[in-house]
Amino acid sequence: DARVTQTPRHKVTEMGQEVTMRCQPILGHNTVFWYRQTMMQGLELLAYFRNRAPLDDSGMPKDRFSAEMPDATLATLKIQPSEPRDSAVYFCASGRSGGVTQYFGPGTRLTVL
Amino acid sequence: SQQGEEDPQALSIQEGENATMNCSYKTSINNLQWYRQNSGRGLVHLILIRSNEREKHSGRLRVTLDTSKKSSSLLITASRAADTASYFCATAGANSKLTFGKGITLSVRP
Repeated sequence: DARVTQTPRHKVTEMGQEVTMRCQPILGHNTVFWYRQTMMQGLELLAYFRNRAPLDDSGMPKDRFSAEMPDATLATLKIQPSEPRDSAVYFCASGRSGGVTQYFGPGTRLTVL
Repeated sequence: SQQGEEDPQALSIQEGENATMNCSYKTSINNLQWYRQNSGRGLVHLILIRSNEREKHSGRLRVTLDTSKKSSSLLITASRAADTASYFCATAGANSKLTFGKGITLSVRP
């Protein structure tokens, strides 16, 4: 049963620290999305990649967030420095080229104190 | 910014009853999708309806789309306690991006 995996599942850190979240998309999927979910804003698209190339990161605060795909099996989302307002659940999702359905990972719950 | 807006925000029904959830959106779409999220989990795709379709069924799910009113509804028939979750509509434009609503919390009482 192919699934998107995310690590860590939970992260508690202090303001100013660097946070790195990792995602392994489903094998064969070439589109990867990063979302942030909060009670106030709901689910927001931060960035997405196709064939490892960033297509859109307009939803991401550029000064502190960065997203990369070092290879086809790994996507990373980094926050440096982290702030309390970054506390949220971060989801990664993947999909096939030309496909419309997205497959979500279990999320990383981030708490910045 | 949110494209889809679900209605109601919360719904509580008895097991066996039908649940109807609505979604409205603002701009033209290629397709509209519904996802379910159980507490503490990721979203799971339920059903997709394309802009040239009016109705689609999948098991106990029925989705309708009215592009003239820019609205969709999701009907879950014969609800079960296991259907308790948050439900999101998501609209897709010309690219692969989805824009999600804020979700509807469905509680099905045993």
